[in-house]
Amino acid sequence: DAKTTQPPSMDCAEGRAANLPCNHSTISGNEYVYWYRQIHSQGPQYIIHGLKNNETNEMASLIITEDRKSSTLILPHATLRDTAVYYCIVRVGTSGSRLTFGEGTQLTVNP
Amino acid sequence: GAVVSQHPSRVICKSGTSVKIECRSLDFQATTMFWYRQFPKQSLMLMATSNEGSKATYEQGVEKDKFLINHASLTLSTLTVTSAHPEDSSFYICSANAGGGDEQFFGPGTRLTVL
Repeated sequence: DAKTTQPPSMDCAEGRAANLPCNHSTISGNEYVYWYRQIHSQGPQYIIHGLKNNETNEMASLIITEDRKSSTLILPHATLRDTAVYYCIVRVGTSGSRLTFGEGTQLTVNP
Repeated sequence: GAVVSQHPSRVICKSGTSVKIECRSLDFQATTMFWYRQFPKQSLMLMATSNEGSKATYEQGVEKDKFLINHASLTLSTLTVTSAHPEDSSFYICSANAGGGDEQFFGPGTRLTVL
């Protein structure tokens, strides 16, 4: 699986948009970009994934650059409950394939 | 979304004993389940991939005789930590793929403390 690079930490004000970047310059054509988050002492939670088109769901938006070498996860209106470690992962999009977690970004949403 | 449960959520045991952790997919069938371990302030590390009806595939450096994995049905996988030692104290998390989908759904984790 391709390696990803994320900033170790970010801060965001409550109610503002949180934009979390991820670099994945060695991504292959058949690899998807996945985002998960982990709130302290809980299991990771799936957020969103995409291949090359931008994606949006009830939790977040995923913006993937045209060359697919980087992406941004957008939480449009961050709340205190969004404080968590956010993981950007690239993997082949088949149901039996593994997830390799990097260090992620610790997002802290401040009141 | 699909729900994965783990039992127990927290366990404390004495050194040398064995501990079994269950991972269940509650509302879907999972042909593949994954076991992770997470030490404090570190990321999740994949330990093994568990396939229903066959032997688990262990990651390099994970002792298969120490961490026994059984995936006897499409909704249950178990991880048994044998002869546990204090260094096995960790947060153990399982995940499962929901039948044909791309998302992996994670359990809430099990906190193991070995005294």
